[in-house]
Amino acid sequence: AQTVTQSQPEMSVQEAETVTLSCTYDTSESDYYLFWYKQPPSRQMILVIRQEAYKQQNATENRFSVNFQKAAKSFSLKISDSQLGDAAMYFCAYRSGDTLAGSYQLTFGKGTKLSVIP
Amino acid sequence: GAGVSQSPSNKVTEKGKDVELRCDPISGHTALYWYRQSLGQGLEFLIYFQGNSAPDKSGLPSDRFSAERTGGSVSTLTIQRTQQEDSAVYLCASSLSGLNQPQHFGDGTRLSIL
Repeated sequence: AQTVTQSQPEMSVQEAETVTLSCTYDTSESDYYLFWYKQPPSRQMILVIRQEAYKQQNATENRFSVNFQKAAKSFSLKISDSQLGDAAMYFCAYRSGDTLAGSYQLTFGKGTKLSVIP
Repeated sequence: GAGVSQSPSNKVTEKGKDVELRCDPISGHTALYWYRQSLGQGLEFLIYFQGNSAPDKSGLPSDRFSAERTGGSVSTLTIQRTQQEDSAVYLCASSLSGLNQPQHFGDGTRLSIL
């Protein structure tokens, strides 16, 4: 079974600075998908960014980018120019790329609580 | 367009009662998921529906939990004889079919068992 580990329960960053959230995962599969979700106090999980394992290029979405190291099974999220609205829980998630797996559920880490200091 | 809608937003009930949680997915999304988020934890997969296929129930924690999806749209998660450990936020997500399709989440139902 796949596991996802987020080793930083809490992180803080000064407004306008850059912060990196760590995520590692364990899998024997070669094809899979990785996601970062943001969960503000409103509880809704919002997709921040996603990465296909077969793509070597790191995904980027505006101020959000990832550092995907497939051999190391690492998938960190970098937030540049941090804003107050970035404060939230951030979850890393894994999805199998095996079409025969039968189910496409996400496996989540336990999350990192990000605080942004004005 | 409208996102995933869940109701009720909050539910408080006594231990031993049955509860029903509702999820209305995004129109046209064939896949629907239920997850449970306990305090301080990540999301735990419960059940998955895809079109008319048999659901994947592998994540249901006990036979007190069941779910159905009528007409390929609205889904109901039922918990019978609730226990205090069932207290959690129950999140529903939907997506188009395909491994590369992202899941879109609702705001969840916070269930509190007294």
